[in-house]
Amino acid sequence: SQQGEEDPQALSIQEGENATMNCSYKTSINNLQWYRQNSGRGLVHLILIRSNEREKHSGRLRVTLDTSKKSSSLLITASRAADTASYFCATDSSASKIIFGSGTRLSIRP
Amino acid sequence: ETGVTQSPTHLIKTRGQQVTLRCSSQSGHNTVSWYQQALGQGPQFIFQYYREEENGRGNFPPRFSGLQFPNYSSELNVNALELDDSALYLCASEVWGPNTEAFFGQGTRLTVV
Repeated sequence: SQQGEEDPQALSIQEGENATMNCSYKTSINNLQWYRQNSGRGLVHLILIRSNEREKHSGRLRVTLDTSKKSSSLLITASRAADTASYFCATDSSASKIIFGSGTRLSIRP
Repeated sequence: ETGVTQSPTHLIKTRGQQVTLRCSSQSGHNTVSWYQQALGQGPQFIFQYYREEENGRGNFPPRFSGLQFPNYSSELNVNALELDDSALYLCASEVWGPNTEAFFGQGTRLTVV
């Protein structure tokens, strides 16, 4: 079973708009990571946020973590067509075993 | 480029056959994990190897087995293939630790007919 669940399952926005994806998980974690996957290819690591951090930025990405609610969000600002992909949250709860959610499919309309 | 390579990229096998998938990790990465990703789903954890020993297993039957070698390569073996084994198989390598990044290969697309 999946540890995390992303919401929404699919998101379609206009180029230039911001995209927000949410992730909820079930158990306590060491960290939470976000990955991107283009069209059934390998996963690309985007950002890692530790359990004692609340917010982290990387370029156009902003990640928040609320351990009391067991949830995280990924914000992509000023979206581009090249951001079209599936985005997964993944939690690391014990000894580096990364468990993935079911993903959000993001489509950017030109 | 993640420095992790998987072979082959695509594979077609017949139900009941056996298959071996290979992964070459980054040098120095002592941990490798394998995942199965069905179409439209997130990757499911199969197992992890640390210093050539299995270090955790997901909800997969014993016909899924693995090996990790000292040269940072690893294998996933699946016996008695079933149609539902059709999926993208991903390996991920990392340095052991609680807050480390995993580097994924591009995957092997296995089709069982």
